[in-house]
Amino acid sequence: QSALIQPASVSGSPGQPITISCTGTSSDVGRSDLVSWYQQYPGKAPKLMIYEASKRASGVSDRFSGSRSGNTASLTISGLRAEDEADYYCCSYAGLYIYVFGSGTKVTVL
Amino acid sequence: EVQLVESGGGWVQPGGSLRLSCAASGFTFGAYAMHWVRQAPGKGLEWVSSIKWNGDIVHYEDSVKGRFTISRDNAKNSLYLQMNSLRPDDTAFYYCVKDSRGDYGYYFEYWGQGTLVTVSS
Repeated sequence: QSALIQPASVSGSPGQPITISCTGTSSDVGRSDLVSWYQQYPGKAPKLMIYEASKRASGVSDRFSGSRSGNTASLTISGLRAEDEADYYCCSYAGLYIYVFGSGTKVTVL
Repeated sequence: EVQLVESGGGWVQPGGSLRLSCAASGFTFGAYAMHWVRQAPGKGLEWVSSIKWNGDIVHYEDSVKGRFTISRDNAKNSLYLQMNSLRPDDTAFYYCVKDSRGDYGYYFEYWGQGTLVTVSS
């Protein structure tokens, strides 16, 4: 299984929205809504943000939203804040109890 | 509060073995599936292995099949990863991860802080 494709970096100004894409195939992202998103600060453990493509994890700000269309999933951060500066990874169930992660996106707040 | 504390990482020569442990607290450990996910320094995340709530069903990423063994002791609230025939490309932080269900919820709900495994001569 190859890693899902994410842009290496995305940036935006405070208050602006940004969207991170996660592109896979019909064998993973395209097979179901079993896509999740994780936020990771440097030197820290990842944190679940979105599961089942569009459901926010407990305690996650409603500025974070997820969607999926075909072989591409997306994470949108509306009203970007300084504390959103982190790495973000998507992950998809790929059948046969295999999971594949995205390559990761570094979000920079300008 | 869910807590997952990994231990057992360290330096090992290629071909060597290590056993990672994860001590769980703050939830009914025996009711949930668990996973190991790794991250090479400065690189992305990679799923390694999963085990269902009762330990009877396990799954592995292809590159670790036959070398790694996942297990759990629900009486001790502990998850393990026995790693044999280690290779330099196994060098990574290894995270213990809680699932949302006893069988698989298909996402990784809570993560430990990780333990570093370094395979080098």
